[in-house]
Amino acid sequence: GQSLEQPSEVTAVEGAIVQINCTYQTSGFYGLSWYQQHDGGAPTFLSYNALDGLEETGRFSSFLSRSDSYGYLLLQELQMKDSASYFCAVRDAGGYQKVTFGTGTKLQVIP
Amino acid sequence: NAGVMQNPRHLVRRRGQEARLRCSPMKGHSHVYWYRQLPEEGLKFMVYLQKENIIDESGMPKERFSAEFPKEGPSILRIQQVVRGDSAAYFCASSPGQGAQNIQYFGAGTRLSVL
Repeated sequence: GQSLEQPSEVTAVEGAIVQINCTYQTSGFYGLSWYQQHDGGAPTFLSYNALDGLEETGRFSSFLSRSDSYGYLLLQELQMKDSASYFCAVRDAGGYQKVTFGTGTKLQVIP
Repeated sequence: NAGVMQNPRHLVRRRGQEARLRCSPMKGHSHVYWYRQLPEEGLKFMVYLQKENIIDESGMPKERFSAEFPKEGPSILRIQQVVRGDSAAYFCASSPGQGAQNIQYFGAGTRLSVL
């Protein structure tokens, strides 16, 4: 089985940088993804790491360390619209390659 | 290119009725996933389907819940004899196929309220 841990809530100031951590325990591992969900909205894909290191996409970056079973999402130059829930998700290396989501981190950006 | 379409957006049922939730994947996508989300909680995997096949239903309750993805038409999540505890948001996601499941495209969800 798989389990993922994320902080439940994070508050940060507009314009600042925030890091959302995710640790996971899996019986097999194929990659770590991040999704954003605004209140009442659908989750939207942000990034995916299959290999160790940093992936950068604009203001968002995602990092993975497979040896530590750890990853993080880094949001730079925070904007008010970044207030949302952020989920990490792992893809099982097993036959079905099911994706399991963490419980989510609610980010509140304050002026 | 339309995204993942779910309908209805909101569904109200009385206890004991049936709920049918529909999901049309993105064009060209052959893999569909259903998730359930309670307020302030994460996405709980329910079932993973390919056309005419259930690949993994390990997250779906054995009783009252069923899912299908026929050769033609949308995927259907069916909940029989609904109870108040079934009230939740149900999201459908699709992906192009094996090897690309790291990216799932989500529909807007169906909010089910059981009175």
